[in-house]
Amino acid sequence: DAKTTQPPSMDCAEGRAANLPCNHSTISGNEYVYWYRQIHSQGPQYIIHGLKNNETNEMASLIITEDRKSSTLILPHATLRDTAVYYCIVRTGANSKLTFGKGITLSVRP
Amino acid sequence: NAGVTQTPKFQVLKTGQSMTLQCAQDMNHEYMSWYRQDPGMGLRLIHYSVGAGITDQGEVPNGYNVSRSTTEDFPLRLLSAAPSQTSVYFCASSYSQGGETQYFGPGTRLLVL
Repeated sequence: DAKTTQPPSMDCAEGRAANLPCNHSTISGNEYVYWYRQIHSQGPQYIIHGLKNNETNEMASLIITEDRKSSTLILPHATLRDTAVYYCIVRTGANSKLTFGKGITLSVRP
Repeated sequence: NAGVTQTPKFQVLKTGQSMTLQCAQDMNHEYMSWYRQDPGMGLRLIHYSVGAGITDQGEVPNGYNVSRSTTEDFPLRLLSAAPSQTSVYFCASSYSQGGETQYFGPGTRLLVL
């Protein structure tokens, strides 16, 4: 599976959009981009995934660049409860092994 | 549904002791897996199972055994605990090997003295 690169941390103000970047320059055509988050020592929680089209669900939006070498997770109205470590993971749809890096720590400030 | 449950929540062991971490799911998921998470690190895959009677090794399997006799349960055994196995252990499950969403349990915190 392709590797991903995320900055170690970022912060944003409560109520504003949080844009979390991820680079995956070696991604191959059949690999999906997944996002999970982990809130303070809890088990990771699935957020969203996509192949090449932008995706949106009740939690977030996923924007994937046309060349698929990077993506952005958008939390449209961040709240204090969104403070967590966010993991960007690339894997093939047929392989359920999730390879977690160190992720990006998002701090939402009041 | 209770989802993925793990017991115990916290355990202290002495070096050389054995124990079993329990994991159960009530979602009829075929795929189950165990991860460990060390401070400041991401999760690392220990063992996984694609169905009852089938298990395989992940990234860091040494020192751990697993079995899958039923769809619901996937216990993780430490045969002879070592301080290096001090970690937080997470169990996860998904509908199938290609399932897009993995559901994680709340974790077991293990301290080996």
